[in-house]
Order: sequence, then C-alpha cells, then structure tokens
Amino acid sequence: EVQLLESGGGLVQPGGSLRLSCAASGFTFSSHAMSWVRQAPGKGLEWVSAISAGGDGTYFADSVKGRFTISRDNFKNKVYLQMNSLRAEDTAIYYCATQTDATMVCCGAFDIWGQGTMVTVSS
Amino acid sequence: DIQMTQSPSTLSASVGDRVTITCRASQSISSWLAWYQQKPGKAPKLLIYKASSLESGVPSRFSGSGSGTEFTLTISSLQPDDFATYYCQQYNSYSLFGPGTKVDIK
Repeated sequence: EVQLLESGGGLVQPGGSLRLSCAASGFTFSSHAMSWVRQAPGKGLEWVSAISAGGDGTYFADSVKGRFTISRDNFKNKVYLQMNSLRAEDTAIYYCATQTDATMVCCGAFDIWGQGTMVTVSS
Repeated sequence: DIQMTQSPSTLSASVGDRVTITCRASQSISSWLAWYQQKPGKAPKLLIYKASSLESGVPSRFSGSGSGTEFTLTISSLQPDDFATYYCQQYNSYSLFGPGTKVDIK
C-alpha cells in the first residue's frame, strides 16, 4: 500500500526550531520528487518546499526561504523539513505529498498525501 | 511570480445541480493545472491533473477544461458527497494553490 506518514510536529516557541519527518512506503521513493504542503487553521493550502528525486534540487516558497531546509534519505525512504526561526504564521498542519509521475523534477499533481502533522508556534 | 485566483469563493448549490468553478492564473501555465477536493480534517484528494485528465477512481461527473490562464472544474450533477472545498494548483513553476472554493448546501 502506498503510504506517507509524517511525524515531528508539536508546540514550539517563536524563534525556535523543529524537524518534520515523512516516511514513505509502497512505491519507489528514490524515483520521486517530494513536497511539503501546509494548511493554517481554517485557511487554504500553501505549497512550502520540494526536493528532487536525487536530492540535488531543492525549492522553497518565498514565505519560508532562508528559514526552512529540505532533505531526504533515499536509503531510509524519508524526507525531512528542518524549520528554523519559526513564527506564529508558520502554525499549520504540514502534509508530505508526492506525485506518481516520476518525470516531475519538482512539483506535480499530488496524488499521494500523508495524514499531516500539526505544528503550533506559540509562547 | 504567478498568482492564482478562484471564483466564486463560496458556492451554494443543491443535489443534482451543475456546478462550475473557475481558476485563473496571472500568466500562462499551459495545462499544468490540477484540481483537488478537501473535506474537513482530511488531506486533499486529487481529482483532475493536466487541466483535463481525470484521476483514476474519480467519478466521471467531475471534469476539467482550459489552458493558458483560465480553467474550469465542472461537476455535472452534484452529489451529497461533493460538498467540500475545492482548490486549483498550478505546477508549471514550482507549485501554488488557489485560495479555494467552498461548495455548501443551498
């Protein structure tokens, strides 16, 4: 069964850091670019970051550029989102997502989603 | 930077209605557009990719059209399970979602 499972969310103070993980199973992880998408409470979807299949290309939304980094371990079938200098506006559910179209270097139509992990930035 | 807009932001409809949602991009994205359905507390579900291709397992009452900067999602006959929020997404340049359209019961 194709599955993405996020972990690592929680409560963090403004200015703090958090690392999210996403474990993939049921597909050839190393062939697919991976993305993080977030959703603030009661708000819409926001694409945050992506990493190419081999890990040599990383992409970020302007709202997180310089604060977040993305990485992957193709041996462990995991992708990570390191979030630094967190702000209240980063409070959201963070979803890991990908597309079965392995030709996409960055981002495609996401047909595989995790269940999400909640990040709350508050003092 | 590409901007995405959707209209309307809210749509009240009845079961059996034909529903159309519009998505516009600020510059051409060719056909690199997807549509998603999201229900409260759930992850989004892909409905349409490449503007008009129906994702496997999605009912045929959903259809997409358009190219360039203007796109539409049509539900030919609204069913009770279709009351949800719908998002468009461009993936021509990185990725960006539209603000969403909530379809509720009239």
